[in-house]
Amino acid sequence: GAGVSQSPSNKVTEKGKDVELRCDPISGHTALYWYRQRLGQGLEFLIYFQGNSAPDKSGLPSDRFSAERTGESVSTLTIQRTQQEDSAVYLCASSLQLYEQFFGPGTRLTVL
Amino acid sequence: SQQGEEDPQALSIQEGENATMNCSYKTSINNLQWYRQNSGRGLVHLILIRSNEREKHSGRLRVTLDTSKKSSSLLITASRAADTASYFCATDKGGGNKLTFGTGTQLKVEL
Repeated sequence: GAGVSQSPSNKVTEKGKDVELRCDPISGHTALYWYRQRLGQGLEFLIYFQGNSAPDKSGLPSDRFSAERTGESVSTLTIQRTQQEDSAVYLCASSLQLYEQFFGPGTRLTVL
Repeated sequence: SQQGEEDPQALSIQEGENATMNCSYKTSINNLQWYRQNSGRGLVHLILIRSNEREKHSGRLRVTLDTSKKSSSLLITASRAADTASYFCATDKGGGNKLTFGTGTQLKVEL
């Protein structure tokens, strides 16, 4: 079956611009996660959606970051007024049960 | 902040040898998971060990967990070139399965 998909795969933007990253989770997965991975580093948790509950935004690094999820489907991560330090790979994951997470291929964001 | 720290940061072995990677963490956990990441397949879940378990096996993988030392190890036996990847431990402290990842071990298996 289809896995988690993300778009775009690569995004190059200028400092100060806004960007939107998209995640399509595996159908039926109730939980969705966003992580950020800087070059040579592990993943940093950003935000977590579970069903209709309020999202856990505790990992968002600043108020320039926000995310939405429509029901139990698509999610978008928005970064406003991008900074060079936002350059990273942004990974989305979904899960059906509270254990194994299935990751998408990521969006590589480069802020010039 | 990094919950998990893996060591070594990099490991190079010959095909057929065993590879051992270690992970240390700082706070109490619900479970600990190991993931593999390579450019071809992205991030893939390998194995999960719960806080009340001490050892778990899956194929050529063996994971141990010592909650008193807040540490875990991943052993890959009879390594293959295809095992070349970065390996991350990730801890789940409960409350939603938010994972906290370590910095990873880069494993290179040479023919």
